Amino acid sequence: QQQVKQSPQSLIVQKGGISIINCAYENTAFDYFPWYQQFPGKGPALLIAIRPDVSEKKEGRFTISFNKSAKQFSLHIMDSQPGDSATYFCAASVNYKLTFGKGTLLTVNP
Amino acid sequence: EPEVTQTPSHQVTQMGQEVILRCVPISNHLYFYWYRQILGQKVEFLVSFYNNEISEKSEIFDDQFSVERPDGSNFTLKIRSTKLEDSAMYFCASSGSGNTIYFGEGSWLTVV
Repeated sequence: QQQVKQSPQSLIVQKGGISIINCAYENTAFDYFPWYQQFPGKGPALLIAIRPDVSEKKEGRFTISFNKSAKQFSLHIMDSQPGDSATYFCAASVNYKLTFGKGTLLTVNP
Repeated sequence: EPEVTQTPSHQVTQMGQEVILRCVPISNHLYFYWYRQILGQKVEFLVSFYNNEISEKSEIFDDQFSVERPDGSNFTLKIRSTKLEDSAMYFCASSGSGNTIYFGEGSWLTVV
């Protein structure tokens, strides 16, 4: 019940395209849903986060869509750039404890 | 921008040896964490620490692991007798009164 399922495992997008990564969870006690970006050899860096009382949050080219009834949330990266190439992890938190998805390796081709 | 700093960045140790990984959390943060990431896998929660005591720990965090905040700035993870399967990237993290958790760059531990 603590799992967060993330898909796809890898994603290849052309420059300027939209990257979409999906996550699903079971535990309704989760109350905070962040997305982290990780470059090779680096720590996860917080990208954007949402709480379950909001259905969408946008920050620049990054948007989280949240569907509480379906227990799903997704990250949309608009106008994807080669510099966005990284591994993206969704996560869900309760009591300050993060449960991560398995990650999506995003490659943006120039 | 404040950041979580970790040392060492990479450590190679013999199986059975003790290892201490060090972290300096963001200065006004109250909650401290250790996570680990085995190569190519997801980030896994190890332990959270608040008010000078462990608030939660995972199944991974067995008796071989311990954490300590020896002074007002450092937060350490000790592995008493390392095993091959302890080889991983260990991330320290911290958070303030909100939910946002900030991660350090990680300490890569290789047990040989």
